[in-house]
Amino acid sequence: EPEVTQTPSHQVTQMGQEVILRCVPISNHLYFYWYRQILGQKVEFLVSFYNNEISEKSEIFDDQFSVERPDGSNFTLKIRSTKLEDSAMYFCASSRQGYTDTQYFGPGTRLTVL
Amino acid sequence: TQLLEQSPQFLSIQEGENLTVYCNSSSVFSSLQWYRQEPGEGPVLLVTVVTGGEVKKLKRLTFQFGDARKDSSLHITAAQPGDTGLYLCAGVVGYGGSQGNLIFGKGTKLSVKP
Repeated sequence: EPEVTQTPSHQVTQMGQEVILRCVPISNHLYFYWYRQILGQKVEFLVSFYNNEISEKSEIFDDQFSVERPDGSNFTLKIRSTKLEDSAMYFCASSRQGYTDTQYFGPGTRLTVL
Repeated sequence: TQLLEQSPQFLSIQEGENLTVYCNSSSVFSSLQWYRQEPGEGPVLLVTVVTGGEVKKLKRLTFQFGDARKDSSLHITAAQPGDTGLYLCAGVVGYGGSQGNLIFGKGTKLSVKP
């Protein structure tokens, strides 16, 4: 069964460094999402992406964040200058269609900012 | 800001008991989804409810969407240790033409003891 994959599974970085989290959505899906989950807290929406542009973004998704679909398979989340509070699990999700269609989540990348 | 309140936050029961988890909001959602999340993994979709008053059954799990599409419940009959996990409700934001981003509740951590 097709699944969303994410790399790396765990990323440790120093405060102020740039990180890129990578996701390979399910191949025939058109809608892509990033969510994050700070330890012990709820899963929070960051950004959605369709047709090579951001559809919606939350307040969390400030200028330090960017997303890109550099080729036909990868979907990346870049954090330009990481802060301690960026430490969290970051989940990528994809869906074939938007709006009520099932979003399939990847296993997540645990980002630790020291 | 749309919020989803889940209760209870923690639930510890004996095998064979029944339980209900609630998900409430003051906002209307176009649909509501229930996920199960294992430690270190991404959420896995259990069910989507779309129509007000809708009831869906998945073996021993019964999901209901409130008539006003503001609340939902998950009822588990004769719980088993294998049901242990974190159950998340997520409201789908948006209507036709939008992305359908998810607003998650904090989750209910269920422990079923043999």
